[in-house]
Amino acid sequence: GAVVSQHPSRVICKSGTSVKIECRSLDFQATTMFWYRQFPKQSLMLMATSNEGSKATYEQGVEKDKFLINHASLTLSTLTVTSAHPEDSSFYICSVKTAINEKLFFGSGTQLSVL
Amino acid sequence: GENVEQHPSTLSVQEGDSAVIKCTYSDSASNYFPWYKQELGKRPQLIIDIRSNVGEKKDQRIAVTLNKTAKHFSLHITETQPEDSAVYFCAASPNAGGTSYGKLTFGQGTILTVHP
Repeated sequence: GAVVSQHPSRVICKSGTSVKIECRSLDFQATTMFWYRQFPKQSLMLMATSNEGSKATYEQGVEKDKFLINHASLTLSTLTVTSAHPEDSSFYICSVKTAINEKLFFGSGTQLSVL
Repeated sequence: GENVEQHPSTLSVQEGDSAVIKCTYSDSASNYFPWYKQELGKRPQLIIDIRSNVGEKKDQRIAVTLNKTAKHFSLHITETQPEDSAVYFCAASPNAGGTSYGKLTFGQGTILTVHP
């Protein structure tokens, strides 16, 4: 299967700082990437759809100015949590849709803890 | 939008027994239904999936059934083993082949515990 790399795997930051998370497809071109958030013992909730070369599409209730998404190339999408607060502490995970066969692959996830 | 309901939230079985997890969905446009196994702190792992043009799919001890008319699908695990213990999520996605494909709506998850 395809390899999707996500970094960092874990980050601890102070309240008010910004954190950037990278999702990279290593062996294929990804026109579309998805960002999910998972709170402890809960399900995965889609935050936004990231399309290469265009603005991301955010799900209802997700603040686009707080969760900045950039998909500048066919292999990299970034999610920046701006001015993070403790309530943003969560597991963030990307998934990638391949252009060729439409298989979906998940990144390894990023555990964000905001103190 | 799509809404996926998953039951039960927890399931405890003895090793060797079968386990069944059920999901319902609301959007008739959904036509791709994957099941994921997730261990604590790890990414979801696809274990089986089904598209709406088939009613059943099997892969060794794992099977999925789909009733498109009733909008429900189920995961069946036979001969369960302790290593099957994990959280299982069902999901639904619309329009395989369309621009919305890949936007997964997940069920709430089922914590499966297999006792030796």
